[in-house]
Amino acid sequence: DIVMTQTPLSLSVTPGQPASISCKSSQSLLHSDGKTYLYWYLQKPGQSPQLLIYEVSSRFSGVPDRFSGSGSGTDFTLKISRVEAEDAGVYYCMEATHLPWTFGQGTKVEIK
Amino acid sequence: EVQLVESGGGLVQPGGSLRLSCAASGFTFSSYWVHWVRQAPGKGLVWVSRINSDGSSTSYADSVKGRFTISRDNAKNTLYLQMNSLRAEDTAVYYCARGNSFFGNWGQGTLVTVSS
Repeated sequence: DIVMTQTPLSLSVTPGQPASISCKSSQSLLHSDGKTYLYWYLQKPGQSPQLLIYEVSSRFSGVPDRFSGSGSGTDFTLKISRVEAEDAGVYYCMEATHLPWTFGQGTKVEIK
Repeated sequence: EVQLVESGGGLVQPGGSLRLSCAASGFTFSSYWVHWVRQAPGKGLVWVSRINSDGSSTSYADSVKGRFTISRDNAKNTLYLQMNSLRAEDTAVYYCARGNSFFGNWGQGTLVTVSS
């Protein structure tokens, strides 16, 4: 199984400041079809997860443009340009290139 | 509006069985793969199983293979997860999620507790 490793596991950010989360996979996530199936989800307290970024860098419908994703192969990053209070929660990367699909451990983001 | 509503969770003894359901609405259910994802209390997300749009193809995490069975009834717009030989480590909130290569929509989850 692919192992997805997120760093850091927790982050405390002042509103208006940037934040960055790294996600590394144990194998390349480049699929034979040429796509890279790497996603980012946010789970706000008491809620179901919600999709933020699909296929490395595309923002899902309704996701603010302060969220951006980048990376390739085995190294990926989620960046929040200016953190807002509503961005608090646990962020997960997930790969869907290889079965079984696997999630990172999660990064808890706290707003100061 | 896309809605996924899970039901069927509860308290079950180790070795017991439970069937979860996920009622879908607001979209053409028969056009989408659907999945089960679980989250143990205070822990992260774990993909459990998926089924393709017509039900002819299924996949499972190793931890549930041979014990859990995913199925769907497209006429009823409903996804199922039959869980047998339940273990304490199966205790979790079980979410259904829609998506062919990612989870664009999630239900609110149903809690399964395996304990004597």
